[in-house]
Amino acid sequence: GNSVTQMEGPVTLSEEAFLTINCTYTATGYPSLFWYVQYPGEGLQLLLKATKADDKGSNKGFEATYRKETTSFHLEKGSVQVSDSAVYFCALSDLGNDMRFGAGTRLTVKP
Amino acid sequence: DAMVIQNPRYQVTQFGKPVTLSCSQTLNHNVMYWYQQKSSQAPKLLFHYYDKDFNNEADTPDNFQSRRPNTSFCFLDIRSPGLGDAAMYLCATSSTGTGGKRAFFGQGTRLTVV
Repeated sequence: GNSVTQMEGPVTLSEEAFLTINCTYTATGYPSLFWYVQYPGEGLQLLLKATKADDKGSNKGFEATYRKETTSFHLEKGSVQVSDSAVYFCALSDLGNDMRFGAGTRLTVKP
Repeated sequence: DAMVIQNPRYQVTQFGKPVTLSCSQTLNHNVMYWYQQKSSQAPKLLFHYYDKDFNNEADTPDNFQSRRPNTSFCFLDIRSPGLGDAAMYLCATSSTGTGGKRAFFGQGTRLTVV
């Protein structure tokens, strides 16, 4: 079945540091890939997505590229801010209408 | 305006006492999902509806049931809550079609079992 594997956290960075959160997936078909962000006590919000190989999703300075050859969708940001502190989930969705999530990575950015 | 609304935000129930969580949507989406999320873990899909078709995950306990009386509403019924069912329950919706659809999430209901 489909699954998502994320790098384990937590991740603690200083403000303006470079961020990478690794995500790899297993899927039988050609899924769409997503990054969601969850702030404390809230539901999940879509951060960015990519629907086919070599697509790059981007939003709020975050980027991720759909790499079919390495089955990866790593999240990056060049300069993190304190307000980026949250839990980040990698997810995939296929034609079967379900959406699978990785375990989540908690990011803390210190001033 | 909120598009996926979950009520209540916080629910306290007694051990073994049936409880119902509700979700409504204004997006007219075909698909509605229920996820269980325990502390510091990924959301775990319990089941989803594609229109009126119910799709249960193989490892979802029988204690969890769901109803979808119309497009806008979906309910999660926990027949006999145990202490292990304390969690955040997330409702989400998405449109049908080929891959690429995104899910819209409600703010969740945090369930406490006492």
